Amino acid sequence: GNSVTQMEGPVTLSEEAFLTINCTYTATGYPSLFWYVQYPGEGLQLLLKATKADDKGSNKGFEATYRKETTSFHLEKGSVQVSDSAVYFCAQRPAAGTALIFGKGTTLSVSS
Amino acid sequence: NAGVTQTPKFQVLKTGQSMTLQCAQDMNHEYMSWYRQDPGMGLRLIHYSVGAGITDQGEVPNGYNVSRSTTEDFPLRLLSAAPSQTSVYFCASSYSEGSYTEAFFGQGTRLTVV
Repeated sequence: GNSVTQMEGPVTLSEEAFLTINCTYTATGYPSLFWYVQYPGEGLQLLLKATKADDKGSNKGFEATYRKETTSFHLEKGSVQVSDSAVYFCAQRPAAGTALIFGKGTTLSVSS
Repeated sequence: NAGVTQTPKFQVLKTGQSMTLQCAQDMNHEYMSWYRQDPGMGLRLIHYSVGAGITDQGEVPNGYNVSRSTTEDFPLRLLSAAPSQTSVYFCASSYSEGSYTEAFFGQGTRLTVV
């Protein structure tokens, strides 16, 4: 079946460090892929998305590339800030389905 | 533009009580869904709807009912609350069921069952 696996957290970084959060998926067909972010006490917000292979989604300095050959959608940022501290969720929407399927989330904590 | 509105934000129930979590969206979205978020489990789909009058079960539907009488509203009913239903509940909506469309989330309802 369709699933999403992302790296376990928490991830603790110093300000200006490089961030990678790994995400891999299993799917029948070619799903759309998403990264959502949840700040403390809030709901989920879309961070970026990619709808086909080799697409790169980007927003607020974050990037992720849809890699069909490795079934991955890793999230990266070159220089994190304290304000990036949040929980990050990788998700897929299957080509033939309707519901988003989420990974378990990765907590990022950035200190100054 | 309010987006997706959930009420209440917090709720404490006693075991066996029933209640309804409200969800409303003003974006004319066809697709709506309910998720629960538990530590270490991510978000799990409870029920979803692809339009008024149409609902279906998700991954964890037991103990919950839904209905969709209008495009705007998608309430979630807990029939007889149990401590295992202590969780944070999120409602989401999207324009269509196409794979490329993003979901918009409400702020969540934090439910505690004692």
